[in-house]
Amino acid sequence: NAGVTQTPKFQVLKTGQSMTLQCAQDMNHEYMSWYRQDPGMGLRLIHYSVGAGITDQGEVPNGYNVSRSTTEDFPLRLLSAAPSQTSVYFCASGSRGFYGYTFGSGTRLTVV
Amino acid sequence: QQPVQSPQAVILREGEDAVINCSSSKALYSVHWYRQKHGEAPVFLMILLKGGEQKGHEKISASFNEKKQQSSLYLTASQLSYSGTYFCGTDLGGSNYKLTFGKGTLLTVNP
Repeated sequence: NAGVTQTPKFQVLKTGQSMTLQCAQDMNHEYMSWYRQDPGMGLRLIHYSVGAGITDQGEVPNGYNVSRSTTEDFPLRLLSAAPSQTSVYFCASGSRGFYGYTFGSGTRLTVV
Repeated sequence: QQPVQSPQAVILREGEDAVINCSSSKALYSVHWYRQKHGEAPVFLMILLKGGEQKGHEKISASFNEKKQQSSLYLTASQLSYSGTYFCGTDLGGSNYKLTFGKGTLLTVNP
């Protein structure tokens, strides 16, 4: 049971480049989310999904796109990278009830 | 909408107790608690549901005051392994399940 798998673990982009952060879970969770973590800011919600084909914006959605074509996958796309998007990105999945979210290991992104 | 955590940081000696608080301005369905060690992903500790009882996990327990929309995490007889950043996450309920996290509390346990 792999849990939540994020790739890549590290990435350096130049300003203006685009890329996709991958996230996959094998726990059949209906809920998936993307967070970014910056020093002193905690975990801020970028986008989330309550099921295949359904997504919604979180607190800081600008500059990011998501889609959810299957239950398992929830990729995050950076359209035109900016230095302000330098951060650690976490994908998480869960089912409402007595269980919490399971987080992926994170992607450390640097935009130069 | 982000819950407010206090204190921002706390330093303990091994064996001492600590309390971390989390408050929301909105009515909550549940409160989650997570611990994150440096360079790692957050790990789920426990969940407090509306109408639920106080939860416990070894020497770590938590409570949820629905009237005040506040939750507290209690760490008793702290161990070195308790060091890390603690986050509360809040769920408002409804059809959209999303967790909104506080800014975290850095807990350092020294020998």
